[in-house]
Amino acid sequence: GAGVSQTPSNKVTEKGKYVELRCDPISGHTALYWYRQSLGQGPEFLIYFQGTGAADDSGLPNDRFFAVRPEGSVSTLKIQRTERGDSAVYLCASSLQGSGGRNEQFFGPGTRLTVL
Amino acid sequence: GDSVTQMEGPVTLSEEAFLTINCTYTATGYPSLFWYVQYPGEGLQLLLKATKADDKGSNKGFEATYRKETTSFHLEKGSVQVSDSAVYFCALNAGGTSYGKLTFGQGTILTVHP
Repeated sequence: GAGVSQTPSNKVTEKGKYVELRCDPISGHTALYWYRQSLGQGPEFLIYFQGTGAADDSGLPNDRFFAVRPEGSVSTLKIQRTERGDSAVYLCASSLQGSGGRNEQFFGPGTRLTVL
Repeated sequence: GDSVTQMEGPVTLSEEAFLTINCTYTATGYPSLFWYVQYPGEGLQLLLKATKADDKGSNKGFEATYRKETTSFHLEKGSVQVSDSAVYFCALNAGGTSYGKLTFGQGTILTVHP
């Protein structure tokens, strides 16, 4: 079956612009996660949804970052007033239920964001 | 806070050599531990996991044992292949209020030569 998909695969934008990154989780997965991976580093947690609600948004770096999942499936990560430091690969993952070690998180291929 | 430390890379080995990639962690409580792998051009995939002390995770010839006394989860393989060339990430889930969150190490690049 289809895995987690993310669009676009690459996004180049200018400093100060607004961007939206989309994630389509595996069908039937109720939990969805966003991570950010900078070059040479491991993924860094941003936010976790259980259904439509954000169960943990403690990783969002500041109020320029926002994510939604209005129908409990597709999620959009929104970044306002982008800065060069936002350049990274943004990863989405999903799992059958909330994780905690019992349910594997399946990762998408990522969106590479470059802020010029 | 929770953290994961992996051995510095990159690691370069000849085919059939023995592999160890060290991983230590800091966490409150009893975390679950994972190894993820990222092959060239592909997304992160779960390689193996262990959810309690002394558990051994294994997959594709790789093994790792959850050692609570040394807070370690070292990855081992007895005989590596060229196809094992990838980036390996150690990760933990601390549970509790961090129920959905994976905390990753910085990754170790493995290159295996024929």
